[in-house]
Amino acid sequence: RKEVEQDPGPFNVPEGATVAFNCTYSNSASQSFFWYRQDCRKEPKLLMSVYSSGNEDGRFTAQLNRASQYISLLIRDSKLSDSATYLCVVWMFSGGYNKLIFGAGTRLAVHP
Amino acid sequence: SQTIHQWPATLVQPVGSPLSLECTVEGTSNPNLYWYRQAAGRGLQLLFYSVGIGQISSEVPQNLSASRPQDRQFILSSKKLLLSDSGFYLCAWSQGTGGYTFGSGTRLTVV
Repeated sequence: RKEVEQDPGPFNVPEGATVAFNCTYSNSASQSFFWYRQDCRKEPKLLMSVYSSGNEDGRFTAQLNRASQYISLLIRDSKLSDSATYLCVVWMFSGGYNKLIFGAGTRLAVHP
Repeated sequence: SQTIHQWPATLVQPVGSPLSLECTVEGTSNPNLYWYRQAAGRGLQLLFYSVGIGQISSEVPQNLSASRPQDRQFILSSKKLLLSDSGFYLCAWSQGTGGYTFGSGTRLTVV
């Protein structure tokens, strides 16, 4: 079983749509959670952290359910510029160091 | 502010040739440094991490090695490349709080 699993998509949505991405992780010792965004042929960039209480950053809302080991990202009012791959990421301290474990990503394509 | 530099941006190398990719960080000291690889259509795989000069740990056995000769320099190497070494190589740094900053990556094609 993969440590972080995501639906690969692609999600093809029109501008203005609301889209939700889901992610599950297998290690209950995971300590922090993030969503990264990766544009085609570019490096990943941190989109937002995910907190147990849920958090919002403009059109983006992230949720964490530790009991279910489930993370979500909601994008409202999609823009063309939101087209990218969204990576679900968990951070854990293991073997004497901290490390990020990445999901394979969910691809989003927003069309006019 | 902190910046991370990685070069070259693209590289085409024949099978059996050596490899050296360099990563440097500015504006911070004693960072944790990481090398990741992303194969086409796949997620990022952690290759090496380093918590200090000369301290390298490997996540997976492979044809690659890493070195950290200076605090803010991290080098990925191979003596003989394989076709399976093709991919997008990313260097990253963190200061232990979870969020990583990535370099712009090196796209390696082994032919």
